[in-house]
Amino acid sequence: QKEVEQDPGPLSVPEGAIVSLNCTYSNSAFQYFMWYRQYSRKGPELLMYTYSSGNKEDGRFTAQVDKSSKYISLFIRDSQPSDSATYLCASSQGGSEKLVFGKGTKLTVNP
Amino acid sequence: EAQVTQNPRYLITVTGKKLTVTCSQNMNHEYMSWYRQDPGLGLRQIYYSMNVEVTDKGDVPEGYKVSRKEKRNFPLILESPSPNQTSLYFCASRQRYQETQYFGPGTRLLVL
Repeated sequence: QKEVEQDPGPLSVPEGAIVSLNCTYSNSAFQYFMWYRQYSRKGPELLMYTYSSGNKEDGRFTAQVDKSSKYISLFIRDSQPSDSATYLCASSQGGSEKLVFGKGTKLTVNP
Repeated sequence: EAQVTQNPRYLITVTGKKLTVTCSQNMNHEYMSWYRQDPGLGLRQIYYSMNVEVTDKGDVPEGYKVSRKEKRNFPLILESPSPNQTSLYFCASRQRYQETQYFGPGTRLLVL
């Protein structure tokens, strides 16, 4: 079983929709949880970062981690065509550089 | 401008011909990593370095070498490339105790 599992989609939504992206992980030692956004032909860029369990909000984006169920979520409110990208979840243990990525979910927001 | 640069951006080569992909960052970051990205497999870490002369294997190190002789540079070496190393490669760096990882623009490699 891969340490971080993510449904690759693709996911297509109309502009203004609420988008929910999800990952599960298997390693109980993971403490850091991240979401990266990758536009076509570009490198990934960090979107959200959460330590341990809880929620974190940044504008239209909310990251959520539930360590009891080993579930990572990213919510996008009022989605825009510019949000069309591949979203990758990633996790790591504290103090370790080893970062494990999910396979990524390709999102298209249609005008 | 703070950035991670990679060269070349595109490379076509033949099996067995040694090649090096360079990576350089201008942010004085301690940590640097190499990843490969393949359809259906996502991003996988090849090697990482926590500082000069300190490197360690990631998930898929076979067939690759790295060195970290200077803080800003972290080249990826393929001594004898094979077609299964055809992929999109990313270099990344981050500051110690910071989780923001900066990725380079990618190097698309085709091994014939």
